[in-house]
Amino acid sequence: SQQGEEDPQALSIQEGENATMNCSYKTSINNLQWYRQNSGRGLVHLILIRSNEREKHSGRLRVTLDTSKKSSSLLITASRAADTASYFCATGETSGSRLTFGEGTQLTVNP
Amino acid sequence: EPEVTQTPSHQVTQMGQEVILRCVPISNHLYFYWYRQILGQKVEFLVSFYNNEISEKSEIFDDQFSVERPDGSNFTLKIRSTKLEDSAMYFCASSRNRGGTEAFFGQGTRLTVV
Repeated sequence: SQQGEEDPQALSIQEGENATMNCSYKTSINNLQWYRQNSGRGLVHLILIRSNEREKHSGRLRVTLDTSKKSSSLLITASRAADTASYFCATGETSGSRLTFGEGTQLTVNP
Repeated sequence: EPEVTQTPSHQVTQMGQEVILRCVPISNHLYFYWYRQILGQKVEFLVSFYNNEISEKSEIFDDQFSVERPDGSNFTLKIRSTKLEDSAMYFCASSRNRGGTEAFFGQGTRLTVV
């Protein structure tokens, strides 16, 4: 698999439910970031978790990072229709300046 | 709230023409980036720029591409001779530090090569 692969590719839930998206990566990382992209729009930064952190919260978002498994998860609690978007994880490596993005998860929250 | 701005939002160009995509990064940021996203695919890194020079570039960023910071605020991506496969959304981003802090993205320029 490629660096920064998310699963599932698509997720459809009802408003009020929780949504969990997973991301796996291959190389050593400095940090892992999650972004949201509404259809045809720009990338909105959601949350950054550093390689020495295991969990981070921001509002309805909870991110975990397991560097031993090279994986991360993004949990959105009490989802809303406005959360409908594509969600990407992106890894910042220990060397270099680039972010490497995953394939993304398309989340649909039905009202 | 400071943001990265990109112009134009959409550009249509003939194959073989040169295009310049423009970006104004966040003012106190030091690192600038271009990424692209071909329709339906993932976001791909093109180049990073720091201290008036390229600090890293990907295999995609070949001799057809160049970047410039012509003044204190603008950051541009030039594609010298566009190909059909250059059609994509191009995102500019900036960050305060190298890879260690959040990168803020602009809304993108949708480039269509016909």
